[in-house]
Amino acid sequence: GQNIDQPTEMTATEGAIVQINCTYQTSGFNGLFWYQQHAGEAPTFLSYNVLDGLEEKGRFSSFLSRSKGYSYLLLKELQMKDSASYLCAVRDYRDKIIFGKGTRLHILP
Amino acid sequence: DAMVIQNPRYQVTQFGKPVTLSCSQTLNHNVMYWYQQKSSQAPKLLFHYYDKDFNNEADTPDNFQSRRPNTSFCFLDIRSPGLGDAAMYLCATSRDAGTGVFQYFGPGTRLTVT
Repeated sequence: GQNIDQPTEMTATEGAIVQINCTYQTSGFNGLFWYQQHAGEAPTFLSYNVLDGLEEKGRFSSFLSRSKGYSYLLLKELQMKDSASYLCAVRDYRDKIIFGKGTRLHILP
Repeated sequence: DAMVIQNPRYQVTQFGKPVTLSCSQTLNHNVMYWYQQKSSQAPKLLFHYYDKDFNNEADTPDNFQSRRPNTSFCFLDIRSPGLGDAAMYLCATSRDAGTGVFQYFGPGTRLTVT
């Protein structure tokens, strides 16, 4: 079956760094996405990985290891506005996108 | 400059009373998706259109139907809403369905069933 696992909740302090992990087991792999979703709002695209390694985009970076079925999203210099859910999503061999349940990140001042 | 628009943002309907949610896009994207998202759960794909080709997910109940009269608009019809259908309904679009193409989401319609 298709499965995407990520922690349900995490807490971090403003200005710190946090790493949100995602592991996946899917029917094939055609890329991994990270989305940010504020409460009551739509997901917004953050990053995309299809090859192994680190993709950096400002304060956010995303890492992928295809052999391990593993990704993480790294958020640096945390700001209060980063309080949100972070969704890991994988595109399978049929190009279907499967979402994880999301990790709710709480930022403390 | 809204790119994926959903109306209404909040919809209340009665148990068993048909309801239609609408989505429009200004991106001229080929693919449009409907997702159901319940509280603290992953968005669940109901179906998608690639141009006019309709693709239903195997576990989408028959109670849910969709129409795409043209490139810009897509509708979600719930024929007989039950209490379990209360959720956020998200419309998304993508240029195509290939590798690397990400989805643009609309703001969602929160459906309440009384």
